[in-house]
Amino acid sequence: GEDVEQSLFLSVREGDSSVINCTYTDSSSTYLYWYKQEPGAGLQLLTYIFSNMDMKQDQRLTVLLNKKDKHLSLRIADTQTGDSAIYFCAESRWNTDKLIFGTGTRLQVFP
Amino acid sequence: KAGVTQTPRYLIKTRGQQVTLSCSPISGHRSVSWYQQTPGQGLQFLFEYFSETQRNKGNFPGRFSGRQFSNSRSEMNVSTLELGDSALYLCASTGGTGGSTDTQYFGPGTRLTVL
Repeated sequence: GEDVEQSLFLSVREGDSSVINCTYTDSSSTYLYWYKQEPGAGLQLLTYIFSNMDMKQDQRLTVLLNKKDKHLSLRIADTQTGDSAIYFCAESRWNTDKLIFGTGTRLQVFP
Repeated sequence: KAGVTQTPRYLIKTRGQQVTLSCSPISGHRSVSWYQQTPGQGLQFLFEYFSETQRNKGNFPGRFSGRQFSNSRSEMNVSTLELGDSALYLCASTGGTGGSTDTQYFGPGTRLTVL
């Protein structure tokens, strides 16, 4: 199957950490991505992780991958109001650029 | 390096008309993919082109078609527009071999409204 699921909403206070979760079903995924979409804009690539890794850190962003459970998470440290957006996880497979996207999580950061 | 550009940014059409959207990838990128984004269905893959060849196609009716030119620019066409075709159409480009080792960079999208 091609289902990639995310929770719909997350609300956090400014300065706290945010954790956005994603589950996928296909074990043949090669890369897993996190994209950010602000209102009226396209998709901004935030970070990605290869499927044989279990963690990747990039400044305020930490990606954790549990391949056994097919679970991916994105942690944003010190969340700011500018982080308010919709976050999509996506997976890709060998020899294709086709991305399968999750349903998106709307992150709202309040002061 | 300039990013992915899409034209036009906004488009209003009526049912039954056809529309052509354009995407210029990042310079040097050879692969272009198209996605449709709607509130109900989310982000769905339309098709993928690499070196002027369609390499992959999503589950869309034949009214949706595309092509890629020798300079890697791509167009998609939707004929006999329906109300449900109203969406944000996103184009993404990737660099080289067309394998999943290349990350995809997205354009700002074309917002199509069908009345």
